[in-house]
Amino acid sequence: DAKTTQPTSMDCAEGRAANLPCNHSTISGNEYVYWYRQIHSQGPQYIIHGLKNNETNEMASLIITEDRKSSTLILPHATLRDTAVYYCIVRVGLTGANSKLTFGKGITLSVRP
Amino acid sequence: NAGVTQTPKFRILKIGQSMTLQCTQDMNHNYMYWYRQDPGMGLKLIYYSVGAGITDKGEVPNGYNVSRSTTEDFPLRLELAAPSQTSVYFCASSFGTGRSYEQYFGPGTRLTVT
Repeated sequence: DAKTTQPTSMDCAEGRAANLPCNHSTISGNEYVYWYRQIHSQGPQYIIHGLKNNETNEMASLIITEDRKSSTLILPHATLRDTAVYYCIVRVGLTGANSKLTFGKGITLSVRP
Repeated sequence: NAGVTQTPKFRILKIGQSMTLQCTQDMNHNYMYWYRQDPGMGLKLIYYSVGAGITDKGEVPNGYNVSRSTTEDFPLRLELAAPSQTSVYFCASSFGTGRSYEQYFGPGTRLTVT
């Protein structure tokens, strides 16, 4: 699986958009970009995933660059409850051994009042 | 649905003791996983299973064993506990094919080996 690079930490003001970057310059054409988050001491929570196109759901938007070498997770209106570690993960497929997730250290997002 | 449940929540073991961490899911997921998370680090995969009776090693399987006799349960066995196994253990499950591929995680078991 391609490796990902994320900043160690960032913060944003409550109510503002949080833009979390991820670099995956060695991504292959069949690899998906996934985002999970982990609120303190809890199990990770799925946020969103995409292959080529931008994706949006009730939690966030995922913007993938045209060359797919980087992506940005956008939390449109961050709240204090969004303070968490966010993991950007790239994986080949979705079944069998390819279904495994490889977690890095992630980026710690702190939302300030 | 209760989702993914894990027991116990906390456990302290002495070096050399053994224990089983329990994991149960009620979502009829085919795939189940065990991860460990050391302080300040991301999760590392210990073992995974793509269905009842089928298990395979992940990134850090040494010192652990698993079994999958039913779709719902995926226990993790620690034999001869060592201080290096002090960690938080998370179980996860997913459909694996079709539908949604997201993994659902349990609340974790905090294990200390002294």
